[in-house]
Amino acid sequence: NAGVTQTPKFQVLKTGQSMTLQCAQDMNHEYMSWYRQDPGMGLRLIHYSVGAGITDQGEVPNGYNVSRSTTEDFPLRLLSAAPSQTSVYFCASSYSLGQASYTFGSGTRLTVV
Amino acid sequence: GENVEQHPSTLSVQEGDSAVIKCTYSDSASNYFPWYKQELGKGPQLIIDIRSNVGEKKDQRIAVTLNKTAKHFSLHITETQPEDSAVYFCAASIKAGNQFYFGTGTSLTVIP
Repeated sequence: NAGVTQTPKFQVLKTGQSMTLQCAQDMNHEYMSWYRQDPGMGLRLIHYSVGAGITDQGEVPNGYNVSRSTTEDFPLRLLSAAPSQTSVYFCASSYSLGQASYTFGSGTRLTVV
Repeated sequence: GENVEQHPSTLSVQEGDSAVIKCTYSDSASNYFPWYKQELGKGPQLIIDIRSNVGEKKDQRIAVTLNKTAKHFSLHITETQPEDSAVYFCAASIKAGNQFYFGTGTSLTVIP
């Protein structure tokens, strides 16, 4: 099993550009989430999904969109990149929301200039 | 909502010594507490977890304790080794169906 796969690993964007961060899991997990990690602020939830076709906002959703058309994939879209979105992004999945640990991907380091 | 605080933010210990990282939470309904280890350039990985019906759990050199009355839980690493150097995160979940709330992380350095 590959676990949770994120692509790309690194990305540099110009302000105003859009892009999609990809996340795929092969563990048949129902629950998937996107977090951003910033120095001194831990992991903050952006969006999450409890199953295919169902998504919801987390703590810091502004500027991001998600969709969940399949159980395996949960892409994160940056609509118009801003320097404040410079961060490390992690996708995570779990078989039970809130009652089992996450499996995290290896992260995408995004820089917006 | 839940608020998880983690201390210290940085910790240096000599190889072979013990390390203790502490977290507090605000919502007494929280009932599941995982700990993650994040090595440089990698995603967090679960190292141990504990549920609210258990006071202590141990896995080799790692242990977690939970005090529900005081609303705090701690990670204990004994006989530390250089490969224990990493950032450690605590987390809490209020109930099934809720997302996790993470602490801000502790950067542990084990000095050979």
